[in-house]
Amino acid sequence: GESVGLHLPTLSVQEGDNSIINCAYSNSASDYFIWYKQESGKGPQFIIDIRSNMDKRQGQRVTVLLNKTVKHLSLQIAATQPGDSAVYFCAEIPLTGNQFYFGTGTSLTVIP
Amino acid sequence: NAGVTQTPKFQVLKTGQSMTLQCAQDMNHNSMYWYRQDPGMGLRLIYYSASEGTTDKGEVPNGYNVSRLNKREFSLRLESAAPSQTSVYFCATESGQGGQPQHFGDGTRLSIL
Repeated sequence: GESVGLHLPTLSVQEGDNSIINCAYSNSASDYFIWYKQESGKGPQFIIDIRSNMDKRQGQRVTVLLNKTVKHLSLQIAATQPGDSAVYFCAEIPLTGNQFYFGTGTSLTVIP
Repeated sequence: NAGVTQTPKFQVLKTGQSMTLQCAQDMNHNSMYWYRQDPGMGLRLIYYSASEGTTDKGEVPNGYNVSRLNKREFSLRLESAAPSQTSVYFCATESGQGGQPQHFGDGTRLSIL
């Protein structure tokens, strides 16, 4: 089966600092990757996605980097704010089939 | 625009009781999914429906049944609830065109005593 994991289960950062959350995936044939944010008591919320033909994609305060050589995905959050405190997890979507495979998540805590 | 709506938000059942979790979407998406989320584990797929009229098993289908009532609605049924089914259940939708994110409801928190 698929294996999508995170290097660190928890991360604490000072307000205003940058945050980096990592994700490893196992299927080199995966074509599409997504980062989700999940706040307490809420469903996962789409943040940003990237396709396998790209190395980097930027959004508002967020950047996703994809390194296909080592099968690694990262989410960078610039100028982290208290509202960024949540669990972040990645999802990988293989070329074939329509199932998503989700990581277990990293809990980000922003210290005011 | 509500997106994906799940009902109920919370439920407590006794072992052996039955229950149906409801999910409705107004995004005109073809594909719908049911996941369970347990502490320390990623979302695990129970069942999915790639399009109206079709359903398929996911990773953990045992003890569950689903119905894709129409394009908007996808329900999950527990026929005889067991304590191992205590979890948070999420419904998600996706356009069905590929290369698009799934959109989630806010979950149903189910406890089985």
